[in-house]
Amino acid sequence: TQLLEQSPQFLSIQEGENLTVYCNSSSVFSSLQWYRQEPGEGPVLLVTVVTGGEVKKLKRLTFQFGDARKDSSLHITAAQPGDTGLYLCAGPPSGTYKYIFGTGTRLKVLA
Amino acid sequence: DTGVSQDPRHKITKRGQNVTFRCDPISEHNRLYWYRQTLGQGPEFLTYFQNEAQLEKSRLLSDRFSAERPKGSFSTLEIQRTEQGDSAMYLCASSLSSGTGFYGYTFGSGTRLTVV
Repeated sequence: TQLLEQSPQFLSIQEGENLTVYCNSSSVFSSLQWYRQEPGEGPVLLVTVVTGGEVKKLKRLTFQFGDARKDSSLHITAAQPGDTGLYLCAGPPSGTYKYIFGTGTRLKVLA
Repeated sequence: DTGVSQDPRHKITKRGQNVTFRCDPISEHNRLYWYRQTLGQGPEFLTYFQNEAQLEKSRLLSDRFSAERPKGSFSTLEIQRTEQGDSAMYLCASSLSSGTGFYGYTFGSGTRLTVV
């Protein structure tokens, strides 16, 4: 059973546009991580959010953890072609050490 | 430390053959994980080691799959009698965890297996 649903699954936008990717669950998570993966490579950790309501910024990327720790979002401002990739949320549901991945959002930014 | 290394990067094998992959984690990381990823999907958990002890195996890991981590350092994943459905990217990750603290994995670049 997939516990982390991401939306949208695919997103193709023009350079300079803004976008938001969502990661939702019916379960509470101890923490959530966001990764970006490029073709033929392993996922690369972008950020970890731990506290409900937490907001973290990484240059043009803003990550938010929901108050109830069941959801998270990734907002990219002024997207660039270098942002192209597969974005994955992941984390351990509370009370477990098992680490699960979301369904992924494939982003393509056109120049 | 150069991060998590996986070898080989690519493997093409005939159905029925055995294959073995290697993962060298970040040296100070005590936990090591194997995941499998098919095209367009997120990684799926296969198994996990804390030091040299294999603490969990997913039911995705059939009897044909075996993983080891002798001495708590590098790990190997072996697939016996490969099937076409085994074709995937096999990812290794490591982390340093103590108690319940966890702050994300460091992944290797993966081994892409193609069974023909």
